[in-house]
Amino acid sequence: NAGVTQTPKFRVLKTGQSMTLLCAQDMNHEYMYWYRQDPGMGLRLIHYSVGEGTTAKGEVPDGYNVSRLKKQNFLLGLESAAPSQTSVYFCASSSPGGQTQYFGPGTRLLVL
Amino acid sequence: DQQVKQNSPSLSVQEGRISILNCDYTNSMFDYFLWYKKYPAEGPTFLISISSIKDKNEDGRFTVFLNKSAKHLSLHIVPSQPGDSAVYFCAASALPGSARQLTFGSGTQLTVLP
Repeated sequence: NAGVTQTPKFRVLKTGQSMTLLCAQDMNHEYMYWYRQDPGMGLRLIHYSVGEGTTAKGEVPDGYNVSRLKKQNFLLGLESAAPSQTSVYFCASSSPGGQTQYFGPGTRLLVL
Repeated sequence: DQQVKQNSPSLSVQEGRISILNCDYTNSMFDYFLWYKKYPAEGPTFLISISSIKDKNEDGRFTVFLNKSAKHLSLHIVPSQPGDSAVYFCAASALPGSARQLTFGSGTQLTVLP
């Protein structure tokens, strides 16, 4: 039982490049979330999903897209990376009745 | 506009003493509050939570207090241990629809000195 896993752990991109971050959970959770964390700030919600095939915008969605084709996976895409997207990205999952979100280990992204 | 604020970026405490971490919120719709603990290069891990219908919740060495009138909550750790050294995030949620979105504070770095 791995919980929430994220790949890759670290990535360097050049401005304008694209990439996809993968989140997987084996807890059969309906809800999944993507956050970013910047220095001196708390985690901010980018997008979330309440079930397979559904997605919704969070607090800071601009420049990101997401997909939830399978219940256990939640993908975060950057179509054209910008230096402002340098951050640590965390994925989380929870059950509909549960109040607690469980987080992955994070992906550190550097955009040059 | 920060809806959840942790005004102390850092806190140092001697081992065995009490650690008190504070959190203030502005949104009166928040009805559930959580504390997460984060070690470097790891994801946040859930520590303890409290519903707005309670004013105290205890779990071992950890106690969370909620003062709704003051829109303030605090996390008490007694006794503090060196392994408690980490960043602590306060988070809050309301239930506007089908998903509980968490709003996080900026975190407090706790250092427990041996």
